Amino acid sequence: DTAVSQTPKYLVTQMGNDKSIKCEQNLGHDTMYWYKQDSKKFLKIMFSYNNKELIINETVPNRFSPKSPDKAHLNLHINSLELGDSAVYFCASSEVRGGAKDRGSEQYFGPGTRLTVT
Amino acid sequence: DQQVKQNSPSLSVQEGRISILNCDYTNSMFDYFLWYKKYPAEGPTFLISISSIKDKNEDGRFTVFLNKSAKHLSLHIVPSQPGDSAVYFCAASDLGNYGQNFVFGPGTRLSVLP
Repeated sequence: DTAVSQTPKYLVTQMGNDKSIKCEQNLGHDTMYWYKQDSKKFLKIMFSYNNKELIINETVPNRFSPKSPDKAHLNLHINSLELGDSAVYFCASSEVRGGAKDRGSEQYFGPGTRLTVT
Repeated sequence: DQQVKQNSPSLSVQEGRISILNCDYTNSMFDYFLWYKKYPAEGPTFLISISSIKDKNEDGRFTVFLNKSAKHLSLHIVPSQPGDSAVYFCAASDLGNYGQNFVFGPGTRLSVLP
């Protein structure tokens, strides 16, 4: 019973195309994230949603648009794909416990989607 | 400008010995730190965390130490097992930020030799 799932696992597409990656979590968490792991293996946050509301939007081209139909889903749509978009994209979720110094929360990650743009 | 650094890209340790993975951070606003383990073709999995009100947290074979004045934390694995071979990511966040903007280090690849 997968906690955070992503589809598809692999995505190969041509430059200029539009594609979507879906993410679902069954943990009842309030917050969901998208991360990009580039060729240098750095994991960088792209977006964070809390209860369907955008909380964090790092410097990401506006070709990337997250959509959260409900708090269990956070999909990533990418327009006009470029070669530099090739990476592994990870979805994650966490509870919101912020505030108290001893009540941080960990993230649960999906298996990743390897996007290759040719 | 890396706010979280893991200066050792790789580490090899003999089975049964101690593995020590290090992490340094620059942002003094960070007050919650986590270690994740990642196997190939899988997402990172949470290992252990520590908040800035503590200097040590232990969970079985895993212990995380935090030195706030040095902005340094380390993960100790004792005894190391071959199944511990993976990439280990250090991450940091600011608990005052409810969005919990986690910043990850570049990772250290641990190889535990039988």
